[in-house]
Amino acid sequence: DTAVSQTPKYLVTQMGNDKSIKCEQNLGHDTMYWYKQDSKKFLKIMFSYNNKELIINETVPNRFSPKSPDKAHLNLHINSLELGDSAVYFCASSHITDTQYFGPGTRLTVL
Amino acid sequence: AQSVAQPEDQVNVAEGNPLTVKCTYSVSGNPYLFWYVQYPNRGLQFLLKYITGDNLVKGSYGFEAEFNKSQTSFHLKKPSALVSDSALYFCAVRELSNYQLIWGAGTKLIIKP
Repeated sequence: DTAVSQTPKYLVTQMGNDKSIKCEQNLGHDTMYWYKQDSKKFLKIMFSYNNKELIINETVPNRFSPKSPDKAHLNLHINSLELGDSAVYFCASSHITDTQYFGPGTRLTVL
Repeated sequence: AQSVAQPEDQVNVAEGNPLTVKCTYSVSGNPYLFWYVQYPNRGLQFLLKYITGDNLVKGSYGFEAEFNKSQTSFHLKKPSALVSDSALYFCAVRELSNYQLIWGAGTKLIIKP
């Protein structure tokens, strides 16, 4: 009965590979987000979808592509992974602009 | 432009003492203010928020925060710290009808027995 779930929890891969992270929420929220947390713990918003429509698209390399198949899911696909992509990626959801609830994170390590 | 400042990278408090984690903000309109906590290797957990009304907001785990409009602050407080409160605390702000939260850099809270 996890509210916001992400898979995988850990992802270790080689430079140049393509990988995806999946997020699902069962809170009935209409808005979902992807955040990147770097090694210094800074949180950076990457994308947000409201009712499957992209509403926040921050300055992020176009190697990162979000996809929202429905309101309960938001996936993040990353092409041609680079060393600097190593970070923890968090998914979150909210009802419109109300409180955001976070998933447990996906720790991505690029070798 | 919106911004949030958490002036202390780290706060050290003895167990049983009161704690304060500071947050100041800058927005052009009315602020919506949030505190989140992150335990090691975990996601962020919502603690409390201020939207409107009483300036003193009570949240989870015995935490509270006081909204001060004149000082544009939203400091997090707890009367008696527990070792288990040791974690990373984030303050965040957004304006009405704005989806995007602006996050502080985080404050590491260490509670010593």
